[in-house]
Amino acid sequence: KQEVTQIPAALSVPEGENLVLNCSFTDSAIYNLQWFRQDPGKGLTSLLLIQSSQREQTSGRLNASLDKSSGRSTLYIAASQPGDSATYLCAVGALIQGAQKLVFGQGTRLTINP
Amino acid sequence: NAGVTQTPKFQVLKTGQSMTLQCAQDMNHEYMSWYRQDPGMGLRLIHYSVGAGITDQGEVPNGYNVSRSTTEDFPLRLLSAAPSQTSVYFCASSYSKWSVQYFGPGTRLTVT
Repeated sequence: KQEVTQIPAALSVPEGENLVLNCSFTDSAIYNLQWFRQDPGKGLTSLLLIQSSQREQTSGRLNASLDKSSGRSTLYIAASQPGDSATYLCAVGALIQGAQKLVFGQGTRLTINP
Repeated sequence: NAGVTQTPKFQVLKTGQSMTLQCAQDMNHEYMSWYRQDPGMGLRLIHYSVGAGITDQGEVPNGYNVSRSTTEDFPLRLLSAAPSQTSVYFCASSYSKWSVQYFGPGTRLTVT
């Protein structure tokens, strides 16, 4: 069974720091991995999508890496800002019982302190 | 583009009542899905559709029905609401099954 874990559940850092969020998954047979951001009371916004054949994707201050063989992905945020405060979720796209599904982690709640 | 829209934003139901959560997208996406988000459980897939006229069950389909008569709309029906269905419901769509997922703003449902 595909399971996605995000550790830590919460993280608080001062503004300006570079930080890494972790995501691990139990089955390496994935099609892609997405990182999302969720603000309180809002929907999810896709930040980066990495296809299974890719090793990393970058968007602005964000860089996501994927290591399928070890079942791990990291989201690197450079020069963090208070506006980066949100919950970050990773999700793997996989065929489960013959159907395409996104399996989500429980998220890391990030707080950037001014 | 409005993206993915959901109505209503909030709803309170009594046990046994039925209702429909609306979801629409204007991006001509083939793939649409419904999730529920609960504390400690994360997001779980309820039902999904790979195109008009085609739907299938996700991880937690019991108590919910869906249909997909058009590409744009994917309503979720609660047949007989139960307190266990108190949750935040999200609709999502994507161009194809492995492309970027776009989520709606959610519907917060309370069943008393």
